[in-house]
Amino acid sequence: AQKITQTQPGMFVQEKEAVTLDCTYDTSDQSYGLFWYKQPSSGEMIFLIYQGSYDEQNATEGRYSLNFQKARKSANLVISASQLGDSAMYFCAMREGNTGNQFYFGTGTSLTVIP
Amino acid sequence: DTGVSQDPRHKITKRGQNVTFRCDPISEHNRLYWYRQTLGQGPEFLTYFQNEAQLEKSRLLSDRFSAERPKGSFSTLEIQRTEQGDSAMYLCASSPARRYEQYFGPGTRLTVT
Repeated sequence: AQKITQTQPGMFVQEKEAVTLDCTYDTSDQSYGLFWYKQPSSGEMIFLIYQGSYDEQNATEGRYSLNFQKARKSANLVISASQLGDSAMYFCAMREGNTGNQFYFGTGTSLTVIP
Repeated sequence: DTGVSQDPRHKITKRGQNVTFRCDPISEHNRLYWYRQTLGQGPEFLTYFQNEAQLEKSRLLSDRFSAERPKGSFSTLEIQRTEQGDSAMYLCASSPARRYEQYFGPGTRLTVT
């Protein structure tokens, strides 16, 4: 089974609107972490947000928030007030293992912000 | 310090040759990771170092791949007897102690002809 599943290959959003990028994960570990990264066309991966499996509050970082639903094993990224510069590939990732050193990435979602 | 750096940025090699890539992490980061990314895919984990110790290595990683981090600072990734299937972007990332978010370098794009 895939460790990380991103079912939306491409998404479009109007500038200034909010958008949700979906991510589901598969693990039997109790301790794990979930990440979102942005990869613009320039290629460099940029860390956006992190959620630990024991964190009770959903993580937020500026315009990014992570909608963590543990029972459903989902970790969706919400981007509020989209900007043209948000157009990029977005990857969901998970760390698992006793030492937390194995990382798995999804196949990504391409987001295009329309002016 | 401006972030993780990788050298070279591009490498073209003939099948069967050996190649070596270098990664310089952010100076205070003790964790270092190598990934491979092919077109249209997310990064694939290759190996992990904490200081100079290699603590994780992907089971999918061929014996032709080896990585070192001799003094717990920079790291090298060597691919021996390259194959066309090795063509990919090789990414390095680092993390500070007791934190999990990774900071990525610009990558080395390898083309095997």
